[in-house]
Amino acid sequence: GQQVMQIPQYQHVQEGEDFTTYCNSSTTLSNIQWYKQRPGGHPVFLIQLVKSGEVKKQKRLTFQFGEAKKNSSLHITATQTTDVGTYFCAGLSNTGKLIFGQGTTLQVKP
Amino acid sequence: GAVVSQHPSWVICKSGTSVKIECRSLDFQATTMFWYRQFPKQSLMLMATSNEGSKATYEQGVEKDKFLINHASLTLSTLTVTSAHPEDSSFYICSARMGHNQPQHFGDGTRLSIL
Repeated sequence: GQQVMQIPQYQHVQEGEDFTTYCNSSTTLSNIQWYKQRPGGHPVFLIQLVKSGEVKKQKRLTFQFGEAKKNSSLHITATQTTDVGTYFCAGLSNTGKLIFGQGTTLQVKP
Repeated sequence: GAVVSQHPSWVICKSGTSVKIECRSLDFQATTMFWYRQFPKQSLMLMATSNEGSKATYEQGVEKDKFLINHASLTLSTLTVTSAHPEDSSFYICSARMGHNQPQHFGDGTRLSIL
């Protein structure tokens, strides 16, 4: 079946360092969505990418969608302790289902 | 905007009890709602997709008679865990979206503990 692989599973960084998480789909996606889940909380929608090669920025966060619409990345510049949480990518398949990656849990040391 | 309310937040009950969880989209009409289950430190596992006025579509391995889903209106879906047992203890989260290509907005989740 369709899968979305996300790496790394965990990342520990020093505050101020950059962070990147990557997603790769086994099939072409209609769009890709990114969510953040704080410990004990629920996933919160961050952004949606639709176009091939699309790049979007939200302050220190940069999201990219690959040319083939099969991979995506989230890059955080100069991490802060408030960035702590698990980041999930989720690809919308042609069947209409949202397929979640395994998530990357980010820990930031102050 | 795009607020989804889910309750209860916590449920602790005895084995054999049936538990009902509600999911409401507060400021938009949701054509589709989803029910997920999440185990500690794991990703979200889709249980079923619910469309208003029609039967839910369950994922492989999810028991329809165990997890009853009702989507009575464009703003309300319910999940009933029937005759719950300790292995049903988990974090259940609903989500709702306005349209096919629209993002999903999640409720706060329900932590279910069966003793």
